[in-house]
Amino acid sequence: DQQVKQNSPSLSVQEGRISILNCDYTNSMFDYFLWYKKYPAEGPTFLISISSIKDKNEDGRFTVFLNKSAKHLSLHIVPSQPGDSAVYFCAASDNTGNQFYFGTGTSLTVIP
Amino acid sequence: DAGVTQSPTHLIKTRGQQVTLRCSPISGHKSVSWYQQVLGQGPQFIFQYYEKEERGRGNFPDRFSARQFPNYSSELNVNALLLGDSALYLCASSLSLAGRYNEQFFGPGTRLTVL
Repeated sequence: DQQVKQNSPSLSVQEGRISILNCDYTNSMFDYFLWYKKYPAEGPTFLISISSIKDKNEDGRFTVFLNKSAKHLSLHIVPSQPGDSAVYFCAASDNTGNQFYFGTGTSLTVIP
Repeated sequence: DAGVTQSPTHLIKTRGQQVTLRCSPISGHKSVSWYQQVLGQGPQFIFQYYEKEERGRGNFPDRFSARQFPNYSSELNVNALLLGDSALYLCASSLSLAGRYNEQFFGPGTRLTVL
């Protein structure tokens, strides 16, 4: 039972434009959300997180938006750079923090 | 500083065999979590250990077991291997229990192939 879903397996964006990656979840107990970036042959790297008490968190070119009523979050990357090309995973946990649930990932390609 | 290290990098086993995967956390980190990532899927949580005790377990059969040693390194054991166990096994470490105040750092993974 996939509690965190990323319905777009891949996304291509021109360099300099905005990349928007989407994630949906089903468990209303989730209250902490993260985005990870993964390059081939490497483990996932933490990118940005958001707590359910916020609806937006920004870190440089990366912004995560959370819509709790829709159980939806998105990652915006602007401007996109070729080095952003990677697989992006959305993850969620409840307040116990004992287990993280990952989505299936979206492969982002930024075209120079 | 060294990151999370895992060994071996790749492993090939046959059905029914047993396998042990190893993980060394970042120095000072006391928690280790294990994840299974099947091709085309996201990482799926298997175990979290903190201070040598199991603190979380995902929906995996009893063929999967793990332990954490006094130096905080960890082993993941899988018995009676099935073809479906073929996956990338990721280890992640954190200072304390992984959560909003304790970021997880992932190793590069061990690629297990079961023939």
